[in-house]
Amino acid sequence: GAVVSQHPSRVICKSGTSVKIECRSLDFQATTMFWYRQFPKQSLMLMATSNEGSKATYEQGVEKDKFLINHASLTLSTLTVTSAHPEDSSFYICSARDRTEPVWNSPLHFGNGTRLTVT
Amino acid sequence: RKEVEQDPGPFNVPEGATVAFNCTYSNSASQSFFWYRQDCRKEPKLLMSVYSSGNEDGRFTAQLNRASQYISLLIRDSKLSDSATYLCVVTSNDYKLSFGAGTTVTVRA
Repeated sequence: GAVVSQHPSRVICKSGTSVKIECRSLDFQATTMFWYRQFPKQSLMLMATSNEGSKATYEQGVEKDKFLINHASLTLSTLTVTSAHPEDSSFYICSARDRTEPVWNSPLHFGNGTRLTVT
Repeated sequence: RKEVEQDPGPFNVPEGATVAFNCTYSNSASQSFFWYRQDCRKEPKLLMSVYSSGNEDGRFTAQLNRASQYISLLIRDSKLSDSATYLCVVTSNDYKLSFGAGTTVTVRA
């Protein structure tokens, strides 16, 4: 099945620093990737939709200048958490749609997630 | 009202039992439906798509009721390994995905 690789799986950083998370589709091309955040015992919350070659679309309440998304190729999207604060500590997950699958009925392929801890 | 709502549970069932739960969605124009399974501190994994005619995959049966706008998941002969959170995912007609908050199932020996 389709594989999405997310790196790093775990990162601890100091407050004020920036952290970059990579999401790669390994055996398919993804024109669209999604970034989510999940706090303990809560559901996945969509942060933004990343479109290859264009600007990301952010959900309401998500600061685009704080969560920088770059989708430079059909297999790679990155999320950079800038000037991280302890409240940014969370589980960040990416997912991707295979461009060859029909949009209306294609499941998402998830990365294995990144657990960010900001101290 | 949330776009997708699930009973959070937890559903605590003994091994071998049958457990079933629903997910309701508010957008009548929703196009496609999925059940995902998420283990603690891991990413969601696709369990099964849900088709209009209902579908079965081993011990798992999914149903769609468009009239009442809900999907269901039934697990027969529960195993300890079925303990997880089950997420309902709905795709609307503008391809937007909405996630339920998840239903936690705990299967005990």
